[in-house]
Amino acid sequence: GQQLNQSPQSMFIQEGEDVSMNCTSSSIFNTWLWYKQDPGEGPVLLIALYKAGELTSNGRLTAQFGITRKDSFLNISASIPSDVGIYFCAGQGDSWGKLQFGAGTQVVVTP
Amino acid sequence: EPEVTQTPSHQVTQMGQEVILRCVPISNHLYFYWYRQILGQKVEFLVSFYNNEISEKSEIFDDQFSVERPDGSNFTLKIRSTKLEDSAMYFCASKEGRGTSLPPYNEQFFGPGTRLTVL
Repeated sequence: GQQLNQSPQSMFIQEGEDVSMNCTSSSIFNTWLWYKQDPGEGPVLLIALYKAGELTSNGRLTAQFGITRKDSFLNISASIPSDVGIYFCAGQGDSWGKLQFGAGTQVVVTP
Repeated sequence: EPEVTQTPSHQVTQMGQEVILRCVPISNHLYFYWYRQILGQKVEFLVSFYNNEISEKSEIFDDQFSVERPDGSNFTLKIRSTKLEDSAMYFCASKEGRGTSLPPYNEQFFGPGTRLTVL
């Protein structure tokens, strides 16, 4: 089956720094989604990417759909304390919509 | 803003008992999903549902699991005889449509989850 690797596993950064994380897949996806999850809550959609090469921003978040359709990255600029949480990438490879999730990147922001 | 809702937020049950987890997807959405997340692990796909039938299911979704859309708003996940390893957060999700290149139809929105604890 498809292997989806997300890195890094965790990041400890100071407030104001930028954060970057990425996901790579063994197979192509037609959609990449990035979610944030706070403890005990459901994943919240941050950004959706639909085309190879697409670069999309949502406030301080920027994500790109890799040209090969096998990878995606998420950048958070000028981090703030509320950016703390676990960020998941998710790829969709078929039209029924099954999402395959990465293992998550835990972001910790210190003042 | 429309959102996916789930009840109960926490369910505790004895091993071997049946549980039903309930979800109300976003009203104009056509595709419905169940995922689970074991504590500290990633989110795993269980099943997708469209046009009143299962469209895809994972290996996890065995004969002990079933889904139903009993009316125009609810979407349920039933586990017939729970096992200890069924303890997890269960998330319902929905999306509007199927297009592979038409945002926002492929965006899946998740509910807050039901924490299932099997004793």
